[in-house]
Amino acid sequence: DGGITQSPKYLFRKEGQNVTLSCEQNLNHDAMYWYRQDPGQGLRLIYYSQIVNDFQKGDIAEGYSVSREKKESFPLTVTSAQKNPTAFYLCASSMVGLNTGELFFGEGSRLTVL
Amino acid sequence: AQKITQTQPGMFVQEKEAVTLDCTYDTSDQSYGLFWYKQPSSGEMIFLIYQGSYDEQNATEGRYSLNFQKARKSANLVISASQLGDSAMYFCAMRELSYGNNRLAFGKGNQVVVIP
Repeated sequence: DGGITQSPKYLFRKEGQNVTLSCEQNLNHDAMYWYRQDPGQGLRLIYYSQIVNDFQKGDIAEGYSVSREKKESFPLTVTSAQKNPTAFYLCASSMVGLNTGELFFGEGSRLTVL
Repeated sequence: AQKITQTQPGMFVQEKEAVTLDCTYDTSDQSYGLFWYKQPSSGEMIFLIYQGSYDEQNATEGRYSLNFQKARKSANLVISASQLGDSAMYFCAMRELSYGNNRLAFGKGNQVVVIP
């Protein structure tokens, strides 16, 4: 089935460690996104990419890094510079150039910093 | 500045009744799109309905309809005949098309609990 796969689903990390969240899609979408969700809050955009080897910062990019070496993959690294990394992370993808094109989401990764 | 505002507290709805979820938005663009997503306790985001700023008719998708009032910058979601499976968080989102990309700005969500 076509869709977006995020892994791991749950992740624990010690303070000061970097961690990478995986996001893979087989929908042949050009655009991919990373959002962060905190309890009782909406989704905030971290990074997005509309084409391979290119990406842009979203609203809360500090302390995060991404790469887009393949169309199917858009991994997110949460670095030790991120002051409050405990959150629910959602990856999404969409077609580009289609105004009505909705975002398709993965099931999310829950990161807890101990 | 917040672009999407959802301010209703958590709502309890009787099964089979209709519920309206409020959403107001802020944009200076003439061309934009409005979306509603459902997030059950499992965490995934499920697309429900879309309304374009130039669409003359209110969007409908099965039991979901969008009450679009452009002058008031309002895009309320109406769920008819509520079911127990409708219990979830509901998020309103907007895409400003002048950006030339598909990024969405989300509101903080409305919690809905359907009771039998």
